[in-house]
Amino acid sequence: DVKVTQSSRYLVKRTGEKVFLECVQDMDHENMFWYRQDPGLGLRLIYFSYDVKMKEKGDIPEGYSVSREKKERFSLILESASTNQTSMYLCASSSGEPGEKLFFGSGTQLSVL
Amino acid sequence: GENVEQHPSTLSVQEGDSAVIKCTYSDSASNYFPWYKQELGKRPQLIIDIRSNVGEKKDQRIAVTLNKTAKHFSLHITETQPEDSAVYFCAASQSFQKLVFGTGTRLLVSP
Repeated sequence: DVKVTQSSRYLVKRTGEKVFLECVQDMDHENMFWYRQDPGLGLRLIYFSYDVKMKEKGDIPEGYSVSREKKERFSLILESASTNQTSMYLCASSSGEPGEKLFFGSGTQLSVL
Repeated sequence: GENVEQHPSTLSVQEGDSAVIKCTYSDSASNYFPWYKQELGKRPQLIIDIRSNVGEKKDQRIAVTLNKTAKHFSLHITETQPEDSAVYFCAASQSFQKLVFGTGTRLLVSP
C-alpha cells in the first residue's frame, strides 16, 4: 500500500511565524500535491510538483511556497503565517499522469493564533 | 480553467435507501472523473472513477454515470448502510492536468 506521511497531525503557530509542513511518500511517485480543506470549500490545490525541483502553482498559492529537493519529500512553507491560513492541509501523491488517482496523507490541522 | 459544482451539500437517507450526488463541470476537454470518500477524521480515498469514453461504471453498490453532452456526472449508492456515512468529493481533470474538486457532499445514513 502507498504510504503518504505528514509530519504533524496538529500544529499551533503564532501569526507571523514561518511554518513548515512536511510530506513523505514511499512509492516513488513522480507527482506530489498540497491541498487545503475548508468546510464548504472542498479541496483546493495550493501547489504541485511533477518532479524533483519542479513546482507549479495551484489555485490558491498566495502566502505559500514549496520545496521538493528529493523525490519522496514535498514541503509546504508558510513564510509568515496568518489567521486565514488556519485550515486542514492535505498532502497527496500520484504516479503517471498528474490528474490520476491520488493517495492522500492523513492531514495536518494547522491553527494560527 | 475547470470549475466543478457539486450538489447537494448535505444528504440524509434511511438505511437501505439509494443516494445520488451530482456534479457538473465546465471544461469540455475534461476526460477523467473520480469520486473520493472521506470518513470522519480520515483521509480521502478513491472509491470509483470514470473516463470520458465510458458512460457508466459500477462497483458493487456504487455506480457513476457520465453525460458528456450535458457535462455532468453522478454518483449512485444503492442499499445504503451506516458505514456509507462520509463526505464525498467529485473531481474532474483532463490529460496531464491537475484534478479540480467539487465542494463535497456530507452523506448521513440513519439506521
